[in-house]
Order: sequence, then structure tokens, then C-alpha cells
Amino acid sequence: SQQGEEDPQALSIQEGENATMNCSYKTSINNLQWYRQNSGRGLVHLILIRSNEREKHSGRLRVTLDTSKKSSSLLITASRAADTASYFCALGPGYSTLTFGKGTMLLVSP
Amino acid sequence: DAGVIQSPRHEVTEMGQEVTLRCKPISGHDYLFWYRQTMMRGLELLIYFNNNVPIDDSGMPEDRFSAKMPNASFSTLKIQPSEPRDSAVYFCASSSLTGDGYTFGSGTRLTVV
Repeated sequence: SQQGEEDPQALSIQEGENATMNCSYKTSINNLQWYRQNSGRGLVHLILIRSNEREKHSGRLRVTLDTSKKSSSLLITASRAADTASYFCALGPGYSTLTFGKGTMLLVSP
Repeated sequence: DAGVIQSPRHEVTEMGQEVTLRCKPISGHDYLFWYRQTMMRGLELLIYFNNNVPIDDSGMPEDRFSAKMPNASFSTLKIQPSEPRDSAVYFCASSSLTGDGYTFGSGTRLTVV
């Protein structure tokens, strides 16, 4: 399957704590992307990391990619209640199409 | 840009009826994607277009589903006849080869009763 698999399926933390989500995959990729989906809304692109990159940052987000282990992690630092959402990793075997995992549901409590 | 615009936001229809979902991609994006999201199956790619041409429709579940992109600013996904198992949220997304990631619309929640 070309689908990434997020872990954990659900994560519950307090505001101010860090949240870490992982994505494992089995195929070769060109890039890996992370998306956020708030309840009842469309997905929002967070960050793209290419297969020749190991780490990327965007604000409070940090993404790592280990192609030898076929895994990626998304770290959200100093989480806020507004970060409550589902987070998906998406694999880009090429650029044109993405396959999405089932997602991690993150709940950040005030 | 107003983003990817989908209509309607919600659609409730009776089994056997024809359903048409609409999408306006971001101007300048040359890729358009239709996805379906359900609790059981997650996000599934149904079909995608490049420069208005359908490239891969292998995800379209049955012949009851069809999609068109008559021009760069409009696409439709049609289900005829609809069945209860088609109930899902349908998303349209667009992207450009030089950009970062997909831009998704807000989705159409389809309920077939």
C-alpha cells in the first residue's frame, strides 16, 4: 500500500505541552506532507518535506523525515486548544498525487 | 484568491436521484483532485485532472460516478443513480506543480437516503 500510517490514532494533551505524531510508510517517496483537518472542514496543508531533506520547521511545527526507516514525525510545540484537529500525513510518490493516512486525532485541553 | 470553492456544502437526496457536485479551483493551479472521505475508508482519491484532462480515474468506484472539467475554472463530479453507500464528504483540491501541497475546498457532505 502507498498509504502512510499515523501513530497514535488519538492523542490527548494539555495546553502548553508538546504533541508528537508519527507516520510510517512502506514505499519510496518523493516527498511527504502533513495536513490538518478541523472538524467539518477541509484539509489544510501544513508542511512539505522532500526525500532529500531531514528536518523542516514552520512556526511551532517541526517535521523530521528518516527515509532509511521510512518514517516521519510531526512535532507541535507549546500546543494550544486551537491545535485540536486531525492530522494526516500524505505520501507523494511523485508530485502529482498524494495518498493520505487515516490520521491522528489530537485533543488539546485548556 | 477565495480558495477552492465547492458547492453545495450539504446535499441530501433520495436513492436513485442524480447528484452533481461542483468545484472551482484556484486560478493558475493546473491540477484538480476529487477525494471522498468516510470514517471507514478515510480519504480516497477518486480522480484527478491535469490541465483539464483526466489523468487517472482508477479510484472512481463505479460507472455511476463521472467527472468532468470543461475548463480551467470548473469541475463537476456526478453520481447517477445515487445510493446510500455513496454518503460521504466529497472534497475537491487543486495544486500547481511548482507549489507546496494541495489546497482543499470545504467539502460537500452528501447524504443519500
